[in-house]
Amino acid sequence: AQSVAQPEDQVNVAEGNPLTVKCTYSVSGNPYLFWYVQYPNRGLQFLLKYITGDNLVKGSYGFEAEFNKSQTSFHLKKPSALVSDSALYFCAVRDVGSASKIIFGSGTRLSIRP
Amino acid sequence: NAGVMQNPRHLVRRRGQEARLRCSPMKGHSHVYWYRQLPEEGLKFMVYLQKENIIDESGMPKERFSAEFPKEGPSILRIQQVVRGDSAAYFCASSPTSGSADTQYFGPGTRLTVL
Repeated sequence: AQSVAQPEDQVNVAEGNPLTVKCTYSVSGNPYLFWYVQYPNRGLQFLLKYITGDNLVKGSYGFEAEFNKSQTSFHLKKPSALVSDSALYFCAVRDVGSASKIIFGSGTRLSIRP
Repeated sequence: NAGVMQNPRHLVRRRGQEARLRCSPMKGHSHVYWYRQLPEEGLKFMVYLQKENIIDESGMPKERFSAEFPKEGPSILRIQQVVRGDSAAYFCASSPTSGSADTQYFGPGTRLTVL
């Protein structure tokens, strides 16, 4: 069964510092991977995806993610964090059996201190 | 262009009552998906519907839960005889076509509290 794991419940970073939010995956076949962000009392917003091609994927709000097949990871990164990046981040994978079903990780709360 | 609309945003029910959650997809979207988010957890897929058809309901509990997406009007997620364990945020997403996950646009959610 397809799954993603986010090993950190919370990540704390000072503003201006680089940030990394970790994600590992377990899929059969080629993975279709995604990152979403959820602000308080809001729905999810799509950040970026990896389907195929370059291992470094660039997305919205200056975020990027690096696909690493040997480590089965898809970590989310940003070179310089902003206070406004504070939110809940979800890694997700598209279910191989159903192209319309997305399987989400448990989420990582990112807190950026001024 | 209005996004995905969900109402109510907050719903309080007592055990045994019925909860009806509504989702209006984005204009031009004919595919609707429902997800449930329990506290401190990720979203879990429940059901995928097209107009008048349930395509995939593999994530729906076998009892008390039902969903529809009529030809006219919003999609409805209905929970009968609610229990405390049904307390969660329910998110709806819509897309113009099925397939690529990035084309699913999420609504703000309905937070259901069962007393």
